[in-house]
Parts: sequence; C-alpha cells; structure tokens
Amino acid sequence: KAGVTQTPRYLIKTRGQQVTLSCSPISGHRSVSWYQQTPGQGLQFLFEYFSETQRNKGNFPGRFSGRQFSNSRSEMNVSTLELGDSALYLCASSLSSSGGYSSYEQYFGPGTRLTVT
Amino acid sequence: AQSVAQPEDQVNVAEGNPLTVKCTYSVSGNPYLFWYVQYPNRGLQFLLKYITGDNLVKGSYGFEAEFNKSQTSFHLKKPSALVSDSALYFCAVRDVEQGNTGFQKLVFGTGTRLLVSP
Repeated sequence: KAGVTQTPRYLIKTRGQQVTLSCSPISGHRSVSWYQQTPGQGLQFLFEYFSETQRNKGNFPGRFSGRQFSNSRSEMNVSTLELGDSALYLCASSLSSSGGYSSYEQYFGPGTRLTVT
Repeated sequence: AQSVAQPEDQVNVAEGNPLTVKCTYSVSGNPYLFWYVQYPNRGLQFLLKYITGDNLVKGSYGFEAEFNKSQTSFHLKKPSALVSDSALYFCAVRDVEQGNTGFQKLVFGTGTRLLVSP
C-alpha cells in the first residue's frame, strides 16, 4: 500500500498570506490528523477528521482550519500567516473507528515544511 | 490530561551496545502508548505500541519496549545498536476525552536524540 502523501513538501510564504496543505491518507484509512512540529513547541495536535467531520481540535487560533473530503483526503488552511507559523506540518492517517476506544496507530506522511518570511 | 515525559534530550551509545531511551507516562485510565522515530527531514515512522497484554512489546527494526505499570514507564530498548539507528525518538500516548472515545489524538514527548557512534 502507498503511504501517506503530503503536498507540497516545501513552501515559502510571506506574512499575511494564506496557505493550503494537502494530505492523502493510506487507502482505507478514514481518520486524518494534523500536527505542527516546531523546535520550540515540539509536536502539537491541530485537529482530526473522520468521515468528513472534525472530531477534535487542538489549541490553535481560528486561522488554522481544515476539512476532509469524501475520499478521506484532507486539507488544512492557514490564513493571515505569521512568522511563528513556520513549521513542519505533519499529516497522519489511521484506521480508527466511529466510536469506542481505538488502539490503531497513526501513520505519518513526510510533512510539509512551511517557511513564513 | 494524558502526558508523557522523555527525561533525556540525548542518548549516546556505541555501535553494538544495548540502548535504552526512557519514557514515563501520566494517564487516567489504561494507557495506549507508542514509539515513533524521525529521521532528518522526514515524517515520523511507527515503531511499536502497547495497548494491553504482555509487558514486553516487540516492534520494527529490532526495537522493543518494556511497559512497567508500577513505575509508569515505557522505555524503548534494542539489544545491539546500529549507526543507522541514530535519529530522533518520540514517545506518545493516545489522548482521551470524556464522552468522546473515538477520536485520534497523540500527545508526544519532547523527543530524545539518539547518537550511535561507530
């Protein structure tokens, strides 16, 4: 099976612009989660989508948003970019389930390196 | 809230020697624990997980982890380190939320850099 793919791999934007990142999960995986990785804050959870619905959201401002399509592909959007948004954005997919405690592991893509200047 | 701690920023070991990367956890309820590895400019690769059952969990690339409930630890181990094991290792715990059991969210430790010298 193909792994999780993310596009683009690298992105340079200027402050105030907006950006959209894309993630294609492993075939059959319905859960897609997004994480931000920075040297200062480490790995932080942004949000998770399952069957086109956001199930949970991390502690990020409303400038960060996402969505999931019927084929489980997901996009995240950051509006009005700030210098502090420079980070590696990681997408992860999982089999998960609609309810009950899920023990499934998440599989990560290679990430999108966003640089805001 | 669920959390994990990785007390060592860096671990140095000589090739061929056993390695241990430490992780302690704090959870309410039963812990779902994971180890991931990250190579430079790459995403995270899943190594192994503990859900229930045997306290010794075997994973990818010869790694294993020992779950210890009394010490609330989940240390990553390998009997004989390779130079190619040099990377950043993350311990993680699955977060849970009252009344919302299905969602997937991992809470990560700060990471431990493993350096294996030839």
